[in-house]
Amino acid sequence: EAQVTQNPRYLITVTGKKLTVTCSQNMNHEYMSWYRQDPGLGLRQIYYSMNVEVTDKGDVPEGYKVSRKEKRNFPLILESPSPNQTSLYFCASSARLPRSTDTQYFGPGTRLTVL
Amino acid sequence: GIQVEQSPPDLILQEGANSTLRCNFSDSVNNLQWFHQNPWGQLINLFYIPSGTKQNGRLSATTVATERYSLLYISSSQTTDSGVYFCAVEGASGTYKYIFGTGTRLKVLA
Repeated sequence: EAQVTQNPRYLITVTGKKLTVTCSQNMNHEYMSWYRQDPGLGLRQIYYSMNVEVTDKGDVPEGYKVSRKEKRNFPLILESPSPNQTSLYFCASSARLPRSTDTQYFGPGTRLTVL
Repeated sequence: GIQVEQSPPDLILQEGANSTLRCNFSDSVNNLQWFHQNPWGQLINLFYIPSGTKQNGRLSATTVATERYSLLYISSSQTTDSGVYFCAVEGASGTYKYIFGTGTRLKVLA
């Protein structure tokens, strides 16, 4: 089954304790992306990756890191989480080409609470 | 950067009614997608529609790129249509960045 998986699904942590949210896709997609969703703000893009070893900042990258060492995996790293990073996080992937199939598929989400 | 506005922000319908959701964007786009977020938080893509018209069952979408808007039509609504509908655009400059609107929250009453 084609899917995007995220782990963990729920996480409660404390300020300053480094954490990683994993994302994996089995569709051989080139493009992967991380978003955060906050009430009233829709989804905002954190980072995206066009392919292995190619990443770039979205609209809200501060406080986050990413890496793309393998095509299927795109982990999101919070080196020193703060309470304003409490949010619902989504990973997504898409094939990019051909353009007619360039639609994003989303993971189930990770609800993060930073105390 | 590109701005995306959706209207209305909230919509309540009786089952069986039709509705039109609108997405306005401030600049040319390479990519426009409509998504449905169900009450359990899952995001499902509905349409990839940078221009033209598409239909999928009771849902259809039209994007008029020259006038910078897209419409999502829901006909004969069902309670399972409830949730939040988002449009997302990628600017024509090819930045690969996606901008989401703040969504239309739809509630369909039985």
